[in-house]
Amino acid sequence: SQQGEEDPQALSIQEGENATMNCSYKTSINNLQWYRQNSGRGLVHLILIRSNEREKHSGRLRVTLDTSKKSSSLLITASRAADTASYFCATDAPGNNRLAFGKGNQVVVIP
Amino acid sequence: GAGVSQSPRYKVAKRGQDVALRCDPISGHVSLFWYQQALGQGPEFLTYFQNEAQLDKSGLPSDRFFAERPEGSVSTLKIQRTQQEDSAVYLCASSLVTGDPTNEKLFFGSGTQLSVL
Repeated sequence: SQQGEEDPQALSIQEGENATMNCSYKTSINNLQWYRQNSGRGLVHLILIRSNEREKHSGRLRVTLDTSKKSSSLLITASRAADTASYFCATDAPGNNRLAFGKGNQVVVIP
Repeated sequence: GAGVSQSPRYKVAKRGQDVALRCDPISGHVSLFWYQQALGQGPEFLTYFQNEAQLDKSGLPSDRFFAERPEGSVSTLKIQRTQQEDSAVYLCASSLVTGDPTNEKLFFGSGTQLSVL
């Protein structure tokens, strides 16, 4: 079963706008990761946030983590056409050496 | 190599046929994972290796699925007597660390798209 659930599932925005997507999870975690997947390709790691962190930045990406609500958000600022992809959150399942992925957010940035 | 390499890129199999999917992880990476990704879904965990040891195979959907990594580098995922529900993209990922592999990022290959007719 999948740990993470992203919301919304699909997002279409104009280039230059910000894109925000959310992820919720059910059990306690050690860390949460976000990945991007371009069509027909593998996943690319974007950012990792640990359970004792609340916010993290990487370039145009901003990730927040609220462990009390068991949720995370990914914000992409000043979006570009190249940001068109599916975005997945992934959490570590307690006691298991694996990452559990959500169903993904499909983001389309219109030039 | 520069990244995780998977072959073949596409595989079409007739129902009942056996298939073998290959993963060549980044040199020196200790941890190796196989994931299955259905169309429009997120990757689902299949199995995990640390070097040549298969530490977790709880995600393999049936005994028709078998994975190995005999020398701790290249890994092969074998599916026997393929069924239509096996159609998916099979992703391989590797990680450098020897500790908790979920504490570090994974490097993914481009996957093998398997279509069972």
